[in-house]
Amino acid sequence: GENVEQHPSTLSVQEGDSAVIKCTYSDSASNYFPWYKQELGKGPQLIIDIRSNVGEKKDQRIAVTLNKTAKHFSLHITETQPEDSAVYFCAASSSFGNEKLTFGTGTRLTIIP
Amino acid sequence: GAVVSQHPSRVICKSGTSVKIECRSLDFQATTMFWYRQFPKQSLMLMATSNEGSKATYEQGVEKDKFLINHASLTLSTLTVTSAHPEDSSFYICSAARGAGGSRDEQFFGPGTRLTVL
Repeated sequence: GENVEQHPSTLSVQEGDSAVIKCTYSDSASNYFPWYKQELGKGPQLIIDIRSNVGEKKDQRIAVTLNKTAKHFSLHITETQPEDSAVYFCAASSSFGNEKLTFGTGTRLTIIP
Repeated sequence: GAVVSQHPSRVICKSGTSVKIECRSLDFQATTMFWYRQFPKQSLMLMATSNEGSKATYEQGVEKDKFLINHASLTLSTLTVTSAHPEDSSFYICSAARGAGGSRDEQFFGPGTRLTVL
């Protein structure tokens, strides 16, 4: 089955600086890679996703890059703000008959004012 | 759009009792719903996948007789924790997938249910 590794487990960034979180996956059949933000006591919220037919996607201050050859994808947050502080999870799934998401272990991001 | 609700948000029960958690897709029809469990400071672990009108598919190590899942309609799935024990205390989260077209793999998560078993 799929295995997703995520690094780092914790990340502290000065407000205004950029944050990068990296994930690797094992199943070459995976073709959908979402990123979720989870605040304390709440469910995960989809912030951006990317499919295997593109290498990069951007939405305002958030971007995701995908390297299918190396089987890794990364989340980039620029101009970080205090409200970006949360736990971020990457995930991977294959659309071909199995939509199950396999989650990474999570990154606790703290933005220092 | 794509809002998923869960009820209750928090429940405290005595050991040995059963607890039912509801998951609803409010503005779309969900052909597939997923149930996850999350322990403190850990990732989400998939418990089971349910499709409307059919039996749920449980992940390895998840007791199907203890965690009863019913997906009676395209907008409602329920998880019943039977004979709950303190080790079942956790954060239970559901998600729903539209299951149509190119976005069939996109999952929308509910706000979670905090279960505490005394």
